[in-house]
Amino acid sequence: TQLLEQSPQFLSIQEGENLTVYCNSSSVFSSLQWYRQEPGEGPVLLVTVVTGGEVKKLKRLTFQFGDARKDSSLHITAAQPGDTGLYLCAGELGNTPLVFGKGTRLSVIA
Amino acid sequence: NAGVTQTPKFQVLKTGQSMTLQCAQDMNHNSMYWYRQDPGMGLRLIYYSASEGTTDKGEVPNGYNVSRLNKREFSLRLESAAPSQTSVYFCASSQGLEQYFGPGTRLTVT
Repeated sequence: TQLLEQSPQFLSIQEGENLTVYCNSSSVFSSLQWYRQEPGEGPVLLVTVVTGGEVKKLKRLTFQFGDARKDSSLHITAAQPGDTGLYLCAGELGNTPLVFGKGTRLSVIA
Repeated sequence: NAGVTQTPKFQVLKTGQSMTLQCAQDMNHNSMYWYRQDPGMGLRLIYYSASEGTTDKGEVPNGYNVSRLNKREFSLRLESAAPSQTSVYFCASSQGLEQYFGPGTRLTVT
């Protein structure tokens, strides 16, 4: 059973379009993180959200943590080819290691 | 600042051979992790070490052993490699919520 479900699994869009990817669970998380992974490299942290309802912005990326701390979304405005990569969400459950979702693979076509 | 380093970057083994994947971090982090990443499966935790001198099993520990040699180094050993262990292996370290990943080792077992 996958604790964190990410959707969609794959997404291919044109440069300039907007998109939203989702990370959902039936569990309540202490915090949730989003990572981006480019081909041939390890994941790199984009943001950590810790409070239910929290919204964080990172340039064209907007991250939201659900009120009940069970889900999160990542919205990208005016996507660019440099946004291409695998987006992973990861949740913290107490004192156990992070739980990762399977990721959304985004391709932005110029 | 090197961050997390992994060696080797690529490795091909025959079934039954053994090898050790090396990982080192220079950020003075207490916790270190080994993951494997397979297509469509996301990141799966093999073993982790919450602090020097301790190691614990993750989601997929069978066929692997680990050694936390000191605070900097955390190695992963395959005693008798199997084709099912073909994967990309990532080492990570953390002090708080954020995990810092190495560049990965691409292992093929034939």
